[in-house]
Amino acid sequence: RKEVEQDPGPFNVPEGATVAFNCTYSNSASQSFFWYRQDCRKEPKLLMSVYSSGNEDGRFTAQLNRASQYISLLIRDSKLSDSATYLCVVNPLRGGYNKLIFGAGTRLAVHP
Amino acid sequence: ETGVTQTPRHLVMGMTNKKSLKCEQHLGHNAMYWYKQSAKKPLELMFVYSLEERVENNSVPSRFSPECPNSSHLFLHLHTLQPEDSALYLCASSHRGQGIMNTEAFFGQGTRLTVV
Repeated sequence: RKEVEQDPGPFNVPEGATVAFNCTYSNSASQSFFWYRQDCRKEPKLLMSVYSSGNEDGRFTAQLNRASQYISLLIRDSKLSDSATYLCVVNPLRGGYNKLIFGAGTRLAVHP
Repeated sequence: ETGVTQTPRHLVMGMTNKKSLKCEQHLGHNAMYWYKQSAKKPLELMFVYSLEERVENNSVPSRFSPECPNSSHLFLHLHTLQPEDSALYLCASSHRGQGIMNTEAFFGQGTRLTVV
């Protein structure tokens, strides 16, 4: 089983739509979680950190369910500029250092 | 404006060449990472340095040799690479994991490596 698994995508949605991405992780001891965004041929950029049960930042809401080892990202009122690959990231914090494990990513395409 | 800078941005090298990738961070972090991203594959963690000590070597072939002379600089020395090593190599930095908070990693723009 992969350490971090995501919806394969791609998601093709119209502007204004609400879209949700799911992510599961295998290491129950994981303590911190992130969503990153990666544009084509660019580096990943931090979108949101998820330390407790969830986090909200404008149109973006992340939820964490530790019992089910599940993280989600909800994007409301999608914009054309939201088109990118969204990466679920888990930090097992093994041995007292960070070890960010990335999912394969879910591609989002927002069309007019 | 990224606080993590990688050079060069693009590199083409022959299989017998020796080259080095450089990464510099200006964020006051004390952990640095090398990741590899091949086409249509997720980011693969290669090496982790925490307080300038290598703490993770994720089964990376010896033709990749990292070096971390101080907490702001990280190198990846390359020699006798194979065409399948062509990929985007990304450097990242963060605070080291002493707690749950503030463990986000910030990435450089990457070096796109082509081995011919």
